[in-house]
Amino acid sequence: GIQVEQSPPDLILQEGANSTLRCNFSDSVNNLQWFHQNPWGQLINLFYIPSGTKQNGRLSATTVATERYSLLYISSSQTTDSGVYFCAVVSRNAGNMLTFGGGTRLMVKP
Amino acid sequence: DAGITQSPRHKVTETGTPVTLRCHQTENHRYMYWYRQDPGHGLRLIHYSYGVKDTDKGEVSDGYSVSRSKTEDFLLTLESATSSQTSVYFCAIKWDTLGDTEAFFGQGTRLTVV
Repeated sequence: GIQVEQSPPDLILQEGANSTLRCNFSDSVNNLQWFHQNPWGQLINLFYIPSGTKQNGRLSATTVATERYSLLYISSSQTTDSGVYFCAVVSRNAGNMLTFGGGTRLMVKP
Repeated sequence: DAGITQSPRHKVTETGTPVTLRCHQTENHRYMYWYRQDPGHGLRLIHYSYGVKDTDKGEVSDGYSVSRSKTEDFLLTLESATSSQTSVYFCAIKWDTLGDTEAFFGQGTRLTVV
């Protein structure tokens, strides 16, 4: 099946810093989503972005489908950005199964 | 809020007992999924459904069964719970397959098997 790798696995930032999270995938995809899992365990949808670039406030994401990667940018980070960020994809060759990467654990210090 | 309710939210059960987790949606979405989340493994797909009475296995389906008799409900059953099934279980829903669409997740169920 499709492999999804996220980097870095862990990231510690000072409040106000910027960061880039990366998601690499091993096959063509129909769907790519970024999620934030907050400290209470809730999975929050950030972006649905199978290709192109989107922005939502301090967050933006870019997917280059032809090169099989996606990037999540967090600018002016806040302590509330802490948690785990997951990338998940649906492979064109694997039906409708959403496959997750291992996540990036982000801690933003005040 | 995507209209997904998981129940129960927390459960402690003994090894060998049957357990059923429920996922209920109010969105009339065709696709429903059960995932488990464990430290070091991220989220892994257990089973999914693409319509009433239509289900298929995911990556970690051994020891689990599912049923979907109505569009709005997707049940996950552990026939005889084991300690290795201690985990957080998430349900997800998705509208349809053509061109694919965004998936939304429930709040999760924390299951402890003692």
